[in-house]
Amino acid sequence: DAGVIQSPRHEVTEMGQEVTLRCKPISGHNSLFWYRQTMMRGLELLIYFNNNVPIDDSGMPEDRFSAKMPNASFSTLKIQPSEPRDSAVYFCASSLTSGGYNEQFFGPGTRLTVL
Amino acid sequence: ILNVEQSPQSLHVQEGDSTNFTCSFPSSNFYALHWYRWETAKSPEALFVMTLNGDEKKKGRISATLNTKEGYSYLYIKGSQPEDSATYLCAFSGSARQLTFGSGTQLTVLP
Repeated sequence: DAGVIQSPRHEVTEMGQEVTLRCKPISGHNSLFWYRQTMMRGLELLIYFNNNVPIDDSGMPEDRFSAKMPNASFSTLKIQPSEPRDSAVYFCASSLTSGGYNEQFFGPGTRLTVL
Repeated sequence: ILNVEQSPQSLHVQEGDSTNFTCSFPSSNFYALHWYRWETAKSPEALFVMTLNGDEKKKGRISATLNTKEGYSYLYIKGSQPEDSATYLCAFSGSARQLTFGSGTQLTVLP
């Protein structure tokens, strides 16, 4: 298996533009997580899905952020409009279930820079 | 807000030294405690998932213990090597089931 796949790996955009980050989880994993990593706040959970259904989006910073999982093999995290403070590394991870007992497998991350 | 704390924040040791660091977490509504290793420019990789009080896990020179009653876990590295240099993250899973990560311990092993 190729592991969790994220694209793009790097994104540089201007303030106000729409940004879409993509993730393909490991085949057979039922849970998908979006994290944001910053120097100030470390690794924080934004939202997670179980069987393609959003379970907890309390970590999504504001309405500019949205996430979808239209099927078991694809998820997107969208920021519209983007702001400089959104600059961070965004990780997607997947696990067999969301029960907390299963290790999470992380993708390589997308480094977002908003100018 | 769940409080998951790791100490020390950073650590420098000489090659061959043994070392350990601490993760403290809420002692109520415990489900699991995870340890991840995060090398620079890579993504976090799971080391251990621990679920039972008194659990001890081992992988090569790295081991971990768990005390859920008092809310702490220790990670030990025996005979540190330069390739052990990384940030070690712990993550707590409680009743909400998702993981809350600590800020990590950054280990540097000097040759």
